[in-house]
Amino acid sequence: EDKVVQSPLSLVVHEGDTVTLNCSYEVTNFRSLLWYKQEKKAPTFLFMLTSSGIEKKSGRLSSILDKKELFSILNITATQTGDSAVYLCALAGGTSYGKLTFGQGTILTVHP
Amino acid sequence: NAGVTQTPKFQVLKTGQSMTLQCAQDMNHNSMYWYRQDPGMGLRLIYYSASEGTTDKGEVPNGYNVSRLNKREFSLRLESAAPSQTSVYFCASSEALGTPRGGYTFGSGTRLTVV
Repeated sequence: EDKVVQSPLSLVVHEGDTVTLNCSYEVTNFRSLLWYKQEKKAPTFLFMLTSSGIEKKSGRLSSILDKKELFSILNITATQTGDSAVYLCALAGGTSYGKLTFGQGTILTVHP
Repeated sequence: NAGVTQTPKFQVLKTGQSMTLQCAQDMNHNSMYWYRQDPGMGLRLIYYSASEGTTDKGEVPNGYNVSRLNKREFSLRLESAAPSQTSVYFCASSEALGTPRGGYTFGSGTRLTVV
């Protein structure tokens, strides 16, 4: 059974801090790993990672995948209060063939 | 550009009542999904439809049924609601099942409370 575990489950920082969110996984046949940001409502897509060692970057957010050690990290630099959200990691592949298996999420709170 | 539209946004049911959650997408996506989100548990897949005319069970299908009415619409039905079904329900769609290019597009969710 595919498994996705995120850590930490919650994190409180101040504006300007840098945070690293972790996502480890177990899967039979890996296809891709996705990161989502969820504020009040629907999750919104951030990154999709398919290859090891290639960093995806969008502004202050970046993510990288390690397929050998089976994990991914999401970095946010110079955090802002608008980064406060739940960050979800999701796995596509293995027995679920394209259906996403989600981790529990990391609740990030950024104080001014 | 509506994307994925879910109705209703909020609902309170009594134990044993039935209801249908509606979902429609306007992106010409082939695959659609229903997830539930509970505190500390991420999103769990209830049912999915790889393409029009097909539906399959996900991780937590018990107590639910689905209908893929056409390519645009995918509904979720609770036949006899139970308090354990209190949750936030999300509908999502993607171009195809095997390649979620750009990820799924999610609706804004339905907050369901069963008392």
